[in-house]
Parts: sequence; structure tokens; C-alpha cells
Amino acid sequence: EAGVAQSPRYKIIEKRQSVAFWCNPISGHATLYWYQQILGQGPKLLIQFQNNGVVDDSQLPKDRFSAERLKGVDSTLKIQPAKLEDSAVYLCASSYAGGQNEQFFGPGTRLTVL
Amino acid sequence: DQQVKQNSPSLSVQEGRISILNCDYTNSMFDYFLWYKKYPAEGPTFLISISSIKDKNEDGRFTVFLNKSAKHLSLHIVPSQPGDSAVYFCAASEGEYGNKLVFGAGTILRVKS
Repeated sequence: EAGVAQSPRYKIIEKRQSVAFWCNPISGHATLYWYQQILGQGPKLLIQFQNNGVVDDSQLPKDRFSAERLKGVDSTLKIQPAKLEDSAVYLCASSYAGGQNEQFFGPGTRLTVL
Repeated sequence: DQQVKQNSPSLSVQEGRISILNCDYTNSMFDYFLWYKKYPAEGPTFLISISSIKDKNEDGRFTVFLNKSAKHLSLHIVPSQPGDSAVYFCAASEGEYGNKLVFGAGTILRVKS
């Protein structure tokens, strides 16, 4: 079974630039999550999708962050414009809908904002 | 406001001995708890979980204990192996199915051979 795929693995941008991350979840997983992990902290949920609908985006900074999952499979997370404090690892995870809360994580995208 | 706390940033253990990683939580609505292991440049991988209806769950060398009255859980690894060296995250959720996870800051475990 293929795992959660993410790209790119690393990205360096200047502040005020925009950036996008891509995630392909495990086949058959209806629930998809985006987490932000700042150095020295645990992952923090940004947004949760069930198929292509948003379940929870209460911690997503909506003035600069956006995410979509148009066909209920792949997802993209965008930051525009980026700030220095957005430097973090962005993790995508997926799980079965209605399944136990065992979430499967991708390798993450390490973003550095200069 | 940290709802899940791992107060030990790091732990060093001799190979073959027991590793005990601790986690405290403040939200009484949490009723499902998980431990994840993370190697450098990889995403977290699920290790073991426990529902609030239990006080212990065992899987091979890994055992998780839950003390609901103290809002405390711990992960025991016996015997510890060098390959166990990683960052361990405690996570909690309200409900066992399809709910967001709230993570602690993690504990770096080093197992010395």
C-alpha cells in the first residue's frame, strides 16, 4: 500500500511570496488533514477535509492560508503572502472516514521563509 | 494553552533497559490517546493507542498506561533498542473516530548501545 505523498519536500522563499504544497493521500482514505509543525513543537491541525468538504478549519489563518480538495482525493495548501513565522514543516495525513483516529502521515514539506 | 504536555524534552536510556515517556493532558473531553514515533526527515508513524475505557494497552515491547483521574498517560518500551531512538509524540482526541488530534511537543528518546 502506497503511503501519503507530499511535494515538494523542501521550499525556500522570500517573505511576501506565495507557495503551494501538494498532498496525495492513501487510496480510499476519505479524511485528509494538514498540520503545521514549528520547530520544537508538536504538529498543529490547520484544516481537516472529509471527502471534498471542510470539517474543521478553525486554526487556519484564513487571511493568508487556503486549502482545497476539489475531487475528494488530492489536496493543495497555499500560503499567500508568506511571513517569517510560517517557517515550519507542513504535514499531510489521511485516515479512513469513520475509522479509528490512526492517521497516516506523509514525509512533510519543510518551508523556510527568508 | 497547551492541552497536551510532554514535560521531558529528552530522555536517554541504555539498550535493554526500560524507557518511560510521560504525557499529561488538561482537556477532560479527551477520550482517545495515541503515541506516534518520528524519525528525522520522515512523518510521524502511529505506534499505539488507548481508549479511555481502558487503563492499559500492550503491543509487543510497547505498553501505554492511562490514568484518567490524574489526566496522565505513559508509554513504556521494554526492552529498549537503539532503533527506538526517535522523537515520540503523545496525541489526544475527543472521540475515537475521525476527530482532530492535539499533539504534545514531543520527547527525544536516545537509546545507547
